[in-house]
Amino acid sequence: EAGVAQSPRYKIIEKRQSVAFWCNPISGHATLYWYQQILGQGPKLLIQFQNNGVVDDSQLPKDRFSAERLKGVDSTLKIQPAKLEDSAVYLCASSLTVGLRFFGPGTRLTVL
Amino acid sequence: AQKVTQAQTEISVVEKEDVTLDCVYETRDTTYYLFWYKQPPSGELVFLIRRNSFDEQNEISGRYSWNFQKSTSSFNFTITASQVVDSAVYFCALSEARTGNTGKLIFGQGTTLQVKP
Repeated sequence: EAGVAQSPRYKIIEKRQSVAFWCNPISGHATLYWYQQILGQGPKLLIQFQNNGVVDDSQLPKDRFSAERLKGVDSTLKIQPAKLEDSAVYLCASSLTVGLRFFGPGTRLTVL
Repeated sequence: AQKVTQAQTEISVVEKEDVTLDCVYETRDTTYYLFWYKQPPSGELVFLIRRNSFDEQNEISGRYSWNFQKSTSSFNFTITASQVVDSAVYFCALSEARTGNTGKLIFGQGTTLQVKP
């Protein structure tokens, strides 16, 4: 079974630029999550989708971050404009059963 | 509010030593899940174990064992006879367990384990 796929793996941008990340969850997983992991910290949930609807986006900085999951499969996370403090690893995860999440390899974003 | 505390920031051991990673959690929910994940240098979070709040049996899987104690709100992880490949960051996490919802996963700060040859 293929795992959660993410691209790109690495991205370097300058502040105020825009960036987008892509995630393809495990086939059949209705729930998809985006996490932000700042260096030295545990991952923090940004947004959770159930199929193509948003379940929880309470910690998503909506003035600059946006996410969508069209057709309830792939998802994109966008940052516009980026700030220095957005430098982090962005992890995508998907889930079929209660509480059991499978994580992708992450996208490491560096904002200069 | 839910919270997970991993007080040990970094642990260094020599190969073949046993090591225990501590995890203390806070929640007002009566039903919840506890997890341990491993994050090797490659960055991907690898699932190790899930335990629900009604199951306090300790679990052993090869060199790994977990001790869940509701009375002290702890879910500690022990690696027996550690190996260099065990070097990674280990995260303890807590999830609500609502019906029909996979719940928010709250992570601790992580413990970096270094196993030296």
